[in-house]
Amino acid sequence: EVQLVESGGGLVQPGASLKLSCVASGFTFSDYWMSWVRQTPGKTMEWIGDIKYDGSYTNYAPSLKNRFTISRDNAKSTLYLQMSNVRSEDTATYYCTRGSMGITTGYWGQGVMVTVSS
Amino acid sequence: DIQMTQSPASLSASLGETVTIECRASEDIYNGLAWYQQKPGKSPQLLIYNANSLHTGVPSRFSGSGSGTQYSLKINSLQSEDVASYFCQQYYNYPLTFGSGTKLEIK
Repeated sequence: EVQLVESGGGLVQPGASLKLSCVASGFTFSDYWMSWVRQTPGKTMEWIGDIKYDGSYTNYAPSLKNRFTISRDNAKSTLYLQMSNVRSEDTATYYCTRGSMGITTGYWGQGVMVTVSS
Repeated sequence: DIQMTQSPASLSASLGETVTIECRASEDIYNGLAWYQQKPGKSPQLLIYNANSLHTGVPSRFSGSGSGTQYSLKINSLQSEDVASYFCQQYYNYPLTFGSGTKLEIK
């Protein structure tokens, strides 16, 4: 069974940095593209970016690429999202996703909440 | 970016009815279209990919259709467990973009 468990969220002050993790199990992590998607409190879905199975290539939403970095450690079956200079509009639930059927968002984790507030 | 316009925003239907949700892309996405179901308090689950292919384990009462810029999700014989929000997503081109969602309730 595909399992994706996110962690690292919480309350963070504007301008700070935060690193989210996603531990994968139930499949060979190094075989799959992975991505991050966030959902705002108003339920708007926003794709953040994805990373190739070997970590050699990434794609980002243009509005986020200067502040967010996606990386992975295949030896630890873990996906990361480094967020810097966070803003109130980054308040959202962040989901880790795995590829399936040609889409990098085929399977989703349970999500982790990030609240940006002073 | 490709804009996805989804309608309606909310929908109320009776058990056993058939409902349809529409999604329009701002340009041709060549069937690079997925539908997701998100039940209250849960994470999204992939229902349909490639516009009309059913994902593993998804009941056959769900179906997708469309081409070009116009796509739809149909749910036949509505069940109580279908109460959820539904999102479309294009993955034909980066950045991937989502529709605004449709909240489905039972009348």
